[in-house]
Amino acid sequence: SQKIEQNSEALNIQEGKTATLTCNYTNYSPAYLQWYRQDPGRGPVFLLLIRENEKEKRKERLKVTFDTTLKQSLFHITASQPADSATYLCAPSPSGGSYIPTFGRGTSLIVHP
Amino acid sequence: GAVVSQHPSWVICKSGTSVKIECRSLDFQATTMFWYRQFPKQSLMLMATSNEGSKATYEQGVEKDKFLINHASLTLSTLTVTSAHPEDSSFYICSAPDSGVNTGELFFGEGSRLTVL
Repeated sequence: SQKIEQNSEALNIQEGKTATLTCNYTNYSPAYLQWYRQDPGRGPVFLLLIRENEKEKRKERLKVTFDTTLKQSLFHITASQPADSATYLCAPSPSGGSYIPTFGRGTSLIVHP
Repeated sequence: GAVVSQHPSWVICKSGTSVKIECRSLDFQATTMFWYRQFPKQSLMLMATSNEGSKATYEQGVEKDKFLINHASLTLSTLTVTSAHPEDSSFYICSAPDSGVNTGELFFGEGSRLTVL
């Protein structure tokens, strides 16, 4: 069955450092993969989308990579700030043409001042 | 970006009662909306796809008679939890893709926290 793995342990980093979050998926061949941010008690907010033919995508301090061979996406936040503290969700699009993404459990990022 | 509004943001009800949650797209039309449920520290689980003008499509294991979905217009979908029980307590979130853009990017509501006593 299709599976999305994100590190369930919180990632603690110091302000100013680069945060790197990992998303691994199995039994998937997603056409694209999305990353969302979710704050406690709120709905997710879209951050970035990367397509299978793109190796890397950037948006301000965010960078996403997509390795379809490794079946992995990495999400980087450079020059992290305490305001970046949140849970980050990985969402590969399912195979078969459906555009409804399936979400991973998310990784909590805590940026310490 | 597109805005999706959800109401109420939280609700407490007695066991056996029904609760209605509304999801509105404020600045775009949404022929399709999605309803998710999320338990603490768990992933978003898709419950059903709401289609304007037709019946909702439910995911496997979701009781359609318990979770009634109505997509009354291009900007409103409602989820009614009928005869709610404590195990229905959860965080319910709706979302919609931006109209005319089939990239999969979803715009989410603020979520509704349901507590059934």
